[in-house]
Amino acid sequence: NAGVTQTPKFQVLKTGQSMTLQCAQDMNHEYMSWYRQDPGMGLRLIHYSVGAGITDQGEVPNGYNVSRSTTEDFPLRLLSAAPSQTSVYFCASTRAADTEAFFGQGTRLTVV
Amino acid sequence: GNSVTQMEGPVTLSEEAFLTINCTYTATGYPSLFWYVQYPGEGLQLLLKATKADDKGSNKGFEATYRKETTSFHLEKGSVQVSDSAVYFCALTVKDKIIFGKGTRLHILP
Repeated sequence: NAGVTQTPKFQVLKTGQSMTLQCAQDMNHEYMSWYRQDPGMGLRLIHYSVGAGITDQGEVPNGYNVSRSTTEDFPLRLLSAAPSQTSVYFCASTRAADTEAFFGQGTRLTVV
Repeated sequence: GNSVTQMEGPVTLSEEAFLTINCTYTATGYPSLFWYVQYPGEGLQLLLKATKADDKGSNKGFEATYRKETTSFHLEKGSVQVSDSAVYFCALTVKDKIIFGKGTRLHILP
């Protein structure tokens, strides 16, 4: 089983560029989420989805967009990259709200 | 609001020492509680969980008990190993979200 797959693993962007971080899961999970991990800040929720066609904002949504057109995929779009978005990004999926979350390997993003 | 507070790190212990990492929470309703572990360069993975008061989660020698009266879910292990060196996250789920603590980095010295 692949579980949760994130691409790319590493990315360097220039300020103002846009890009999409990909996330796919093959476990037929309804719930998917995006987090960013920064030193001393733990994991902060950016956006989440409780099913195809449904998304909602988390704690730090500004500068990011998401969509959920299929159960499997939950891409995260950076509209105009800023140095403050330099971080490690994790995608996660869960079968239900109170069950185990499965995480991807992360995307290390640097904005210069 | 809903939040998780865990002890600041890093925590440095010698091999075979006893480990406690404190975690307290604030939540409306009856959350499920989790401990996740993150090894270097990897994503988080579930270590253990408890879904109701007085439940004890356990895995790989780690244990934590859901204490509703003290709103706590402290992680313990009787004898740590070098391979336990990692970052540990306490978390809760409420409604549709998982809320994480800031993580505690654990170093185990041989």
